[in-house]
Amino acid sequence: EAQVTQNPRYLITVTGKKLTVTCSQNMNHEYMSWYRQDPGLGLRQIYYSMNVEVTDKGDVPEGYKVSRKEKRNFPLILESPSPNQTSLYFCASSHGWADPANTGELFFGEGSRLTVL
Amino acid sequence: GDSVTQMEGPVTLSEEAFLTINCTYTATGYPSLFWYVQYPGEGLQLLLKATKADDKGSNKGFEATYRKETTSFHLEKGSVQVSDSAVYFCALRNTNAGKSTFGDGTTLTVKP
Repeated sequence: EAQVTQNPRYLITVTGKKLTVTCSQNMNHEYMSWYRQDPGLGLRQIYYSMNVEVTDKGDVPEGYKVSRKEKRNFPLILESPSPNQTSLYFCASSHGWADPANTGELFFGEGSRLTVL
Repeated sequence: GDSVTQMEGPVTLSEEAFLTINCTYTATGYPSLFWYVQYPGEGLQLLLKATKADDKGSNKGFEATYRKETTSFHLEKGSVQVSDSAVYFCALRNTNAGKSTFGDGTTLTVKP
């Protein structure tokens, strides 16, 4: 089954304790991206990757890091989490723009709810 | 930069009522436009899309037409069901762009 898998789905942590949210897709997509969803603010893009070893900042990158060492994985790293990073996080992927199969559609994971105390 | 403005929610309707959720956008170039739906406890999934002006996207009884002259992509359904209760997001994405821009989302509740 084609899917984007995020882990963990739920996490409660404390300020300053480094954590990683993993994201993996099995559709051979070139493009991957992270979003956070907050009440009243919709979805905001954190980072994205157009291909392996290529990453760029989205609209709200502060406090986050990413890496793209393999095509299928795109982990989100919070080096020193703070309470304002409490949010619902979504990973998404899509075909690359040059791919004939690309329609622009994003495929989303089920989300990771993070609480930072 | 690009932006998407959605009709504020929440929206509450009775079953079989007509639904409109307004969406307007500002963007450079010629973006593709999307409506995504998020059911409770799930991720977003594509509802419909349109890639150029005057295209109409449709799926599951929902429709939206890409109107370049009014920079709009309003979502409509003639007769909503309780199962349509969800959060709806309007979004745009430019060709070759890494960024996608989403509206704030509109929560729809349909009562029997």
